[in-house]
Amino acid sequence: QVQLVESGGGVVQPERSLRLSCAASGFTFSGYGMHWVRQAPGKGLEWVAIIWYDGSNEYYADSVKGRFTISRDNSKNTLYLQMNSLRVEDTAVYYCARDVPEGGEFDYWGQGTLVTVSS
Amino acid sequence: QAVVTQPSSLSASPGASASLTCTLRSGINVGPYRIYWYQQKPGSPPQYLLRYKSDSDKQQGSGVPSRFSGSKDASANAGILLISGLQSEDEADYYCMVWHNNAVVFGGGTKLTVL
Repeated sequence: QVQLVESGGGVVQPERSLRLSCAASGFTFSGYGMHWVRQAPGKGLEWVAIIWYDGSNEYYADSVKGRFTISRDNSKNTLYLQMNSLRVEDTAVYYCARDVPEGGEFDYWGQGTLVTVSS
Repeated sequence: QAVVTQPSSLSASPGASASLTCTLRSGINVGPYRIYWYQQKPGSPPQYLLRYKSDSDKQQGSGVPSRFSGSKDASANAGILLISGLQSEDEADYYCMVWHNNAVVFGGGTKLTVL
C-alpha cells in the first residue's frame, strides 16, 4: 500500500536550517510529482513547493522562495525539503503529498512532521 | 486578495444537505479551473474527496461516498462541494484547492458543524 512517512522535524532557532525527508513506498515514486504542504497550528493548509516526477522542475510559494529547496532522490524513493533562514512563521506541521499525473489531486498524504521555530 | 476564498464556518443538521463554496478572486474566471476538495479531521492529514471542472471533467476520490459531489456556480464564480444526507462523521474542515500559475492555492477552509 502507498505510504509516505515524513521525518526531520523538531525545534530550531530562527535563522537556522533544517532538512525534512519523506520516505515513499508502495508505488513507483519516480512516476509522480510530489509536494510539500504545511499547516501552522490551528490554521489552514498552505502549499509550499512541488517537484516534478523526474526532478526537472520545481515551483515554490512566494513565502518560502529563496529560502526553501525541494529535491528528490528517485533511487532512494525519498523527497526532501531543505529549509534555510527559518522564521517563527515557518512553524507548522509539514506534509508531503503525492500528485496524480494528469489529475492534479493530492491522493496520498503523509502524517506530517512538526517544525517549531523558536528562540 | 486571496485567489480562492471559503466561508470560515457552516452549520447544518443531520440528514440535511450542506453546500460549501469556493469563490475565485474577481478577474479569475472559474470556468477553466478544476476545483479540488479535501476533508480534514482533527489530528489527521487531509483526505482527497473529489475534483470538479465540468460534468465531463470530474472525478470522485477512491472510496468517497456519492453523497459528496461537486459543481460550479458560474454566476457566483465559485466551485461548490455539496454534501447530502449529512452525518455526524462529516463534521470536519473542508478545503478547496486550485492550480494557478504553476502553483497550488488552498482556500482558507470551512469548518462544517453537524448539529
